[in-house]
Amino acid sequence: DVKVTQSSRYLVKRTGEKVFLECVQDMDHENMFWYRQDPGLGLRLIYFSYDVKMKEKGDIPEGYSVSREKKERFSLILESASTNQTSMYLCASVQGAHYGYTFGSGTRLTVV
Amino acid sequence: EDKVVQSPLSLVVHEGDTVTLNCSYEVTNFRSLLWYKQEKKAPTFLFMLTSSGIEKKSGRLSSILDKKELFSILNITATQTGDSAVYLCAVDSINTDKLIFGTGTRLQVFP
Repeated sequence: DVKVTQSSRYLVKRTGEKVFLECVQDMDHENMFWYRQDPGLGLRLIYFSYDVKMKEKGDIPEGYSVSREKKERFSLILESASTNQTSMYLCASVQGAHYGYTFGSGTRLTVV
Repeated sequence: EDKVVQSPLSLVVHEGDTVTLNCSYEVTNFRSLLWYKQEKKAPTFLFMLTSSGIEKKSGRLSSILDKKELFSILNITATQTGDSAVYLCAVDSINTDKLIFGTGTRLQVFP
């Protein structure tokens, strides 16, 4: 069964810490995405990547960066975590057309 | 600015009821509209719609797209408690390769 795996389900970090959220897919997909999901705001795109070492800003990239050194892995980095980055983070991947984005289970990050 | 609006935000029904979830959109160079179901964790894909008037059906769920009026509906008949979830609508534009999501409709089905 194809999978997108996010390394942590729950994380609690302190303000100012550098935080890494990892996402790995086993489907050889080219396109990978990071979203955050907040009540009343839906899913908002942070960054996406079409290929190794390639990245594009989404709608809310401020305070985040990403890394894609290998095709299967797409990492989201919070350079200096802040309380307003407390959220559910969802990784997704897709090959080509957008039907059937496959999502990871999500990481619920709390910044205190 | 491209946007997707879902309504209602929240819906509470009893088992056996039929529900209709709405999704309207404003997107430049529309390509497709997708519905997802999100329970406690990852959203799972339900339907992709590209053509007006063609109903997609899967069991008790069905969906249709109206490209003239720029909306889609998701129908669930004979609801069950397992249908309780957040239903997400997303739209894909030819201009970009990223999905634009609505805020979702939270459906709660009580026995």
